[in-house]
Amino acid sequence: EAGVVQSPRYKIIEKKQPVAFWCNPISGHNTLYWYLQNLGQGPELLIRYENEEAVDDSQLPKDRFSAERLKGVDSTLKIQPAELGDSAVYLCASSPGHSTQGYTFGSGTRLTVV
Amino acid sequence: EDKVVQSPLSLVVHEGDTVTLNCSYEVTNFRSLLWYKQEKKAPTFLFMLTSSGIEKKSGRLSSILDKKELFSILNITATQTGDSAVYLCAVAYNNNDMRFGAGTRLTVKP
Repeated sequence: EAGVVQSPRYKIIEKKQPVAFWCNPISGHNTLYWYLQNLGQGPELLIRYENEEAVDDSQLPKDRFSAERLKGVDSTLKIQPAELGDSAVYLCASSPGHSTQGYTFGSGTRLTVV
Repeated sequence: EDKVVQSPLSLVVHEGDTVTLNCSYEVTNFRSLLWYKQEKKAPTFLFMLTSSGIEKKSGRLSSILDKKELFSILNITATQTGDSAVYLCAVAYNNNDMRFGAGTRLTVKP
């Protein structure tokens, strides 16, 4: 079984440029999460989807961040425009609905904004 | 405010040592506590704990939850260099929310 797939693995962009990350969850996992992890910190939730519906986006900076999960499968997270402080690892995770058996995380995308 | 606090933030030991990592929490509508190991990027699942006093064990790793005192510990016996990683504690609460602690960075020296 393929795990959670994220791309790209690394991205370096100049500030004020747009950037997008992609995530393909485990097949059949209804719940998809985007987390941001700064160096030395634990992951912080940005947005959670139940199927195609964003059920918790309270921590998503909506002035520059957006996300979508069309058809309730894969998802994209976009930042426009990027700021220096956005440099971090962006993790995607999925789980089978309301189970708390532990998420399965993707390998993440390390974003560096210069 | 919901929070998950891990201690110590970092720890350096030698191979063969036993370590204990701590996680305390304050959340509403607690559901479970989870431990993850993060070596490079993707955290990998170790344990999920829902009941107090029942030890979960996997090889040299074990964990237990105290829901009265609101904490959990993760023990690693006979540490190896391959145990070097960041260990994350996370608490699942409410419907399907999860909050992570900042992690404990464990370094095991040969």
